[in-house]
Amino acid sequence: DAGVTQSPTHLIKTRGQQVTLRCSPKSGHDTVSWYQQALGQGPQFIFQYYEEEERQRGNFPDRFSGHQFPNYSSELNVNALLLGDSALYLCASSVKSYNSPLHFGNGTRLTVT
Amino acid sequence: QKEVEQDPGPLSVPEGAIVSLNCTYSNSAFQYFMWYRQYSRKGPELLMYTYSSGNKEDGRFTAQVDKSSKYISLFIRDSQPSDSATYLCAISAARQLTFGSGTQLTVLP
Repeated sequence: DAGVTQSPTHLIKTRGQQVTLRCSPKSGHDTVSWYQQALGQGPQFIFQYYEEEERQRGNFPDRFSGHQFPNYSSELNVNALLLGDSALYLCASSVKSYNSPLHFGNGTRLTVT
Repeated sequence: QKEVEQDPGPLSVPEGAIVSLNCTYSNSAFQYFMWYRQYSRKGPELLMYTYSSGNKEDGRFTAQVDKSSKYISLFIRDSQPSDSATYLCAISAARQLTFGSGTQLTVLP
């Protein structure tokens, strides 16, 4: 049973560029959430998708956008990268029920130079 | 004030010790309480999940929730070197998890 898979594992970008990160949820899960984890900090909620729509959003600017596909996989896009966007980006999946716990992938380490 | 406060440590204990990890929270709307373990260069792994006040036990791990005090704890009995990791408390309201900053634990052989 495959867990949450994310690609790529590492990425180096230059300030001002755009990046796309990808996530495949755990088998049987239909909801995908994205989190940003800065070094030494807990993950911060970016947004959540189910039924191919953004359902909730954390305190992140519009430079952060996403998409969910009919097979429940998801992408996170970040435009106009800033040095402060360097972080571990985590994807988590769950089922749509209100109290379903989240299962995380191993993340994509993004470095902006 | 952060919504979820967690002592960042680091915490270092000898093998076999009982470990106590704690978080406090401020929002009474929080309903579900979780503990995650995160090894270096890995994503968080769900350890414990509960929604009611009281204790929940799973093997060497016990999660304790006190909603009246807005205080949650994780106890690890007979700690092992393989328990060395960062432990994150996470609290949920309206489908969104709010995490503590994590406590780095090292169990010395």
